[in-house]
Amino acid sequence: QQPVQSPQAVILREGEDAVINCSSSKALYSVHWYRQKHGEAPVFLMILLKGGEQKGHDKISASFNEKKQQSSLYLTASQLSYSGTYFCGTEIGSNYQLIWGAGTKLIIKP
Amino acid sequence: DTAVSQTPKYLVTQMGNDKSIKCEQNLGHDTMYWYKQDSKKFLKIMFSYNNKELIINETVPNRFSPKSPDKAHLNLHINSLELGDSAVYFCASSHRTRFKGEQYFGPGTRLTVT
Repeated sequence: QQPVQSPQAVILREGEDAVINCSSSKALYSVHWYRQKHGEAPVFLMILLKGGEQKGHDKISASFNEKKQQSSLYLTASQLSYSGTYFCGTEIGSNYQLIWGAGTKLIIKP
Repeated sequence: DTAVSQTPKYLVTQMGNDKSIKCEQNLGHDTMYWYKQDSKKFLKIMFSYNNKELIINETVPNRFSPKSPDKAHLNLHINSLELGDSAVYFCASSHRTRFKGEQYFGPGTRLTVT
């Protein structure tokens, strides 16, 4: 039931865009996105609850497809501060238990 | 003000010892969690408490025992430590209804068993 995240890693130059995907074999109740910098704790980015939903802040946004089985995280005009590992956490039922993807390591080079 | 705090930050101990990790949150959340993150960075839920009641108890060795004296505290006690227990342990908290379950993590406790 672990969601599949892709790609596993991506290297970008500052200013480039990235897309990180999170897919499940089952319909999801919600998808959470978190970022973890090296040596630090995961930090909440956003949560998506509705099929077809899109939300975002600054240049980081996310979408949840209509079937609620896939979510994508979009990072536009990436900055050095975006570096880290991005995790999606998925809920299958409304039980507040997150099942985590394996993470996508994002490296931004100047 | 620290929202979710854990002590200690680092813990180095020998196999066979017993150790505890403490967690406190001052966010007024009603749900707290323990996660284990291994060297490959996989995040695995271990336990979750809601209003001091155990609601998630994943398949972890019974050497691990959580205790929640009140809604703001969740401690983790580990008996007979093994090499495979080496990992970073994160405490987290959330509010089950108010914030749609977004979780706030503590800084982590890096446990090294030698």
